[in-house]
Amino acid sequence: KQEVTQIPAALSVPEGENLVLNCSFTDSAIYNLQWFRQDPGKGLTSLLLIQSSQREQTSGRLNASLDKSSGRSTLYIAASQPGDSATYLCAVPMNSGYSTLTFGKGTMLLVSP
Amino acid sequence: GAGVSQSPSNKVTEKGKDVELRCDPISGHTALYWYRQSLGQGLEFLIYFQGNSAPDKSGLPSDRFSAERTGGSVSTLTIQRTQQEDSAVYLCASSSPGGGLNTEAFFGQGTRLTVV
Repeated sequence: KQEVTQIPAALSVPEGENLVLNCSFTDSAIYNLQWFRQDPGKGLTSLLLIQSSQREQTSGRLNASLDKSSGRSTLYIAASQPGDSATYLCAVPMNSGYSTLTFGKGTMLLVSP
Repeated sequence: GAGVSQSPSNKVTEKGKDVELRCDPISGHTALYWYRQSLGQGLEFLIYFQGNSAPDKSGLPSDRFSAERTGGSVSTLTIQRTQQEDSAVYLCASSSPGGGLNTEAFFGQGTRLTVV
């Protein structure tokens, strides 16, 4: 059974810092990995989808890397801003033939002005 | 529509009552998923639809939970005889074209259910 773990559970940084969020998964036979953002009381916003054949994906100040063999992904946020404060979730598809996702419990990020 | 739409956004109900939660997926998305997010827990899968059929209902926690989808579009999640442990945020997602393993999932804003 696939298990997804995110470290740290919570992170508080001052504005402007570069930071790294970690995601690990137990079954390396994944097809892709998706990072989401969740604001309090809101749904999930997809940030980046990395296919299994890719090593990284970039969107603006966000860069996600994937190392399938070691079962790890990182989300790098450059020059953090207070608006980045949210919970960040990573998820991988279950090996079920369709995109049902197994989620980590998330990293709650607070960026202080 | 432009995104996945869920209604209501908030629902407070008395223990023992039935509730219906609605999801409108992105137009043209054939795959639809329901998840539940309980306080302090991660998101847990409930049910998957491909078109109007549900090939995977393995996440439904009890027979009080059911879901249907009509016209390959709108889905309704029904919880009968609600219990306090049903209190959670219920999230719906859709993906295109067939929901295969390499397709991106898009989520709605969720329905926050509180059972008092």
